[in-house]
Amino acid sequence: GIQVEQSPPDLILQEGANSTLRCNFSDSVNNLQWFHQNPWGQLINLFYIPSGTKQNGRLSATTVATERYSLLYISSSQTTDSGVYFCAVGDTGTASKLTFGTGTRLQVTL
Amino acid sequence: GAVVSQHPSWVICKSGTSVKIECRSLDFQATTMFWYRQFPKQSLMLMATSNEGSKATYEQGVEKDKFLINHASLTLSTLTVTSAHPEDSSFYICSARSPGTGEAFFGQGTRLTVV
Repeated sequence: GIQVEQSPPDLILQEGANSTLRCNFSDSVNNLQWFHQNPWGQLINLFYIPSGTKQNGRLSATTVATERYSLLYISSSQTTDSGVYFCAVGDTGTASKLTFGTGTRLQVTL
Repeated sequence: GAVVSQHPSWVICKSGTSVKIECRSLDFQATTMFWYRQFPKQSLMLMATSNEGSKATYEQGVEKDKFLINHASLTLSTLTVTSAHPEDSSFYICSARSPGTGEAFFGQGTRLTVV
């Protein structure tokens, strides 16, 4: 099956710093999503981005499908950004499962 | 975005008993739903794909007789952990994909503790 690796596995930032999280996948995909898992376990949808670039406030994401990677940018980080960030990949279609990456655990300190 | 609701959020049960977890799509119909399990400090692993009106499809290594899945309507899937044991303690989370965009949305998750 498809392999999804994220880097770095752990990241500690001071509030206000910027960061880039990476997601590499081993095969072609038609669907890629980024999630933030909060301390209560809830998965928050950040981006649905099978290709191209999207921005939402301080967050942006870029997927280069032909090179099998995606990047999540967090600018001016805040303590509320702490948590685990997952990318997940799969095919299109409502019956297609997602395969999750290994995750990046982010801690933002004051 | 689409809303997926899961209940209960947490449950504690005695070893040997069964626990049922519900997953509902609130504002769309989902012929397919997905059940994941997450152990502490690990990623989400797909357990099974729930298909409305037919049998679920289980991932390799997942015991179908232990994790019973029922998808009786277009908005409800249930996962029953039968004869639960402490090693079944985990975070269980369901998902469905929006028929409009294909984007996946997740329930709040259920933290199961078996004592």
